[in-house]
Amino acid sequence: DIQMTQSPSSLSASVGDRVTITCRASQGIRSDLAWYQQKPGKAPKRLIYSASSLPSGVPSRFSGSGSGTQFTLTISSLQPEDFATYYCLQYNSYPWTFGQGTKVDIK
Amino acid sequence: EVQLVESGGGLVKPGGSLRLSCAASGFTFNIYNMNWVRQAPGKGLEWVSSITTSGSFTYYADSVKGRFTISRDNAKNSLYLQMNSLRAEDTAVYYCARAGSWGPPDYWGQGTLVTVSS
Repeated sequence: DIQMTQSPSSLSASVGDRVTITCRASQGIRSDLAWYQQKPGKAPKRLIYSASSLPSGVPSRFSGSGSGTQFTLTISSLQPEDFATYYCLQYNSYPWTFGQGTKVDIK
Repeated sequence: EVQLVESGGGLVKPGGSLRLSCAASGFTFNIYNMNWVRQAPGKGLEWVSSITTSGSFTYYADSVKGRFTISRDNAKNSLYLQMNSLRAEDTAVYYCARAGSWGPPDYWGQGTLVTVSS
């Protein structure tokens, strides 16, 4: 099984900050990686797919990069509505695996 | 508008069974792979199972293999998860999620809570 190691597990940031979250895969997964945002009591929302593709409707302050085993989610200028938990997901092979999550809260 | 509505959750004793359903609307159900993902209280997301468009292929997490069965009825635009031999560690919110061909989930339902407790 492919293990996804996500870091950090939590971070505190201010509105306007640039935030970076990373995921490392235990083996190469090409670009078969997605990022999700989840707010308390809500379903996850897809932010990025294919490592760097932005679905329509997702703000351009979100971006993704990487391929193989190293991936990054960047929020260029943190907004109040971005305080949430973020997860990566590898869908290169079954079983799909999520990272442990990164909780972004207000500094 | 894409809608996924889960139902069937509730309280069940260890060793019991439950069948979850997911009613899909707003898209052509039979051209999408479908998935179940769960989240234990206060914990992260865990992929549970996937099924291809026609139901020909199914995939399971090791933690549920042999106990859970995913299925779909394309005529009814519905996805199911039959859960047998339930354990306390199966307690979670179960989400139904749509995925494109070999892609990750894009739309998710709001989830249904399953509690396994005596």
